[in-house]
Amino acid sequence: AQSVTQLDSHVSVSEGTPVLLRCNYSSSYSPSLFWYVQHPNKGLQLLLKYTSAATLVKGINGFEAEFKKSETSFHLTKPSAHMSDAAEYFCVVSRMDSSYKLIFGSGTRLLVRP
Amino acid sequence: DTAVSQTPKYLVTQMGNDKSIKCEQNLGHDTMYWYKQDSKKFLKIMFSYNNKELIINETVPNRFSPKSPDKAHLNLHINSLELGDSAVYFCASSQGVLAGTDTQYFGPGTRLTVL
Repeated sequence: AQSVTQLDSHVSVSEGTPVLLRCNYSSSYSPSLFWYVQHPNKGLQLLLKYTSAATLVKGINGFEAEFKKSETSFHLTKPSAHMSDAAEYFCVVSRMDSSYKLIFGSGTRLLVRP
Repeated sequence: DTAVSQTPKYLVTQMGNDKSIKCEQNLGHDTMYWYKQDSKKFLKIMFSYNNKELIINETVPNRFSPKSPDKAHLNLHINSLELGDSAVYFCASSQGVLAGTDTQYFGPGTRLTVL
């Protein structure tokens, strides 16, 4: 079975400060892990994905995430928040070998203060 | 050049009605999906089609019937709408069927409100 837990429902940062969105996963198999972003009233957009290559994954808009197997974590970070980063972020898990499904976390709302 | 498009964007209807949501992708992908996002933003897959064949059918009431006339289209028909069907429905597509490696591209969503 697979599951993903996003530890914070809301995160608030000031513009220009670092962003950390936390995600822990549970998987009986080698996982693939993703971060998707959803801006208000928009569809989901893939930020980055981990599929067993480098453990530090770089994505779009300056985001990156590190796969830590020992901690079963895949936290999303960005060195400096921008106002346009305000959105809902979803951590997602799937199986690397033979799964048809994505399993979504409950989401983290990122608020960016001016 | 919208990659995955859905119509309508908003749908307001009465309980008991039948409605359809249409989805089209111009990415040349073989696989399409329908997801439901509830009021708490929780996203869950409902259906998936690959080359017009159903490959995922989650525990969804049989009032929901997906229809794929061709690889580029996956429509969602809902009979006898209930209050609990109110949600945002997302269509998505990917080249292959392996969610672990095939990136899924999402449409903008259809917000369904059942009164």
